[in-house]
Amino acid sequence: GQQVMQIPQYQHVQEGEDFTTYCNSSTTLSNIQWYKQRPGGHPVFLIQLVKSGEVKKQKRLTFQFGEAKKNSSLHITATQTTDVGTYFCAALLSGGSYIPTFGRGTSLIVHP
Amino acid sequence: DTGVSQDPRHKITKRGQNVTFRCDPISEHNRLYWYRQTLGQGPEFLTYFQNEAQLEKSRLLSDRFSAERPKGSFSTLEIQRTEQGDSAMYLCASSPARITEAFFGQGTRLTVV
Repeated sequence: GQQVMQIPQYQHVQEGEDFTTYCNSSTTLSNIQWYKQRPGGHPVFLIQLVKSGEVKKQKRLTFQFGEAKKNSSLHITATQTTDVGTYFCAALLSGGSYIPTFGRGTSLIVHP
Repeated sequence: DTGVSQDPRHKITKRGQNVTFRCDPISEHNRLYWYRQTLGQGPEFLTYFQNEAQLEKSRLLSDRFSAERPKGSFSTLEIQRTEQGDSAMYLCASSPARITEAFFGQGTRLTVV
């Protein structure tokens, strides 16, 4: 089974509201990646976090990696309808082949 | 090179038939992954190649599934004696090195009737 848990599974927001999705693992991660999948599309890489406590920003998106490297979050400020999709975290486990192991994803629905 | 290419995009087959999917990764990407995705779930790892060597295979993967990457370039995934539970999107991804982003293809949607 999947080794990363993501919450929530779905999130409905009004356009302009903020959105956050959380990713948690019971084991220490080497790296964590985030992907976005639009409806009917395929996962597209957003970012990779490597260092403990790392924070990276991409315009309205803020990504964080926990100090213990067991959790991560993605925060979107002032959502837009173009943000609609499913956001996945993918863990790369240390000591292995570094194969991205995906969470279940959080589907974001933005109401105009 | 425009990205990872998968063929066919859609496949409808009768239960019990064999199917084969092809993936052409981005050239010079030595890592190739196959995933399976069902509705409401994240991509589930199936198998991984580094060049022509199949280095990992999911323990959950039935013996009916086999994958090859004979020359370290394109890869094929075969499912023998398909079952309705095999209906899913089969995604291929490639990456140039470890701990780097995976580039996904558009996927092959399999429907077993």
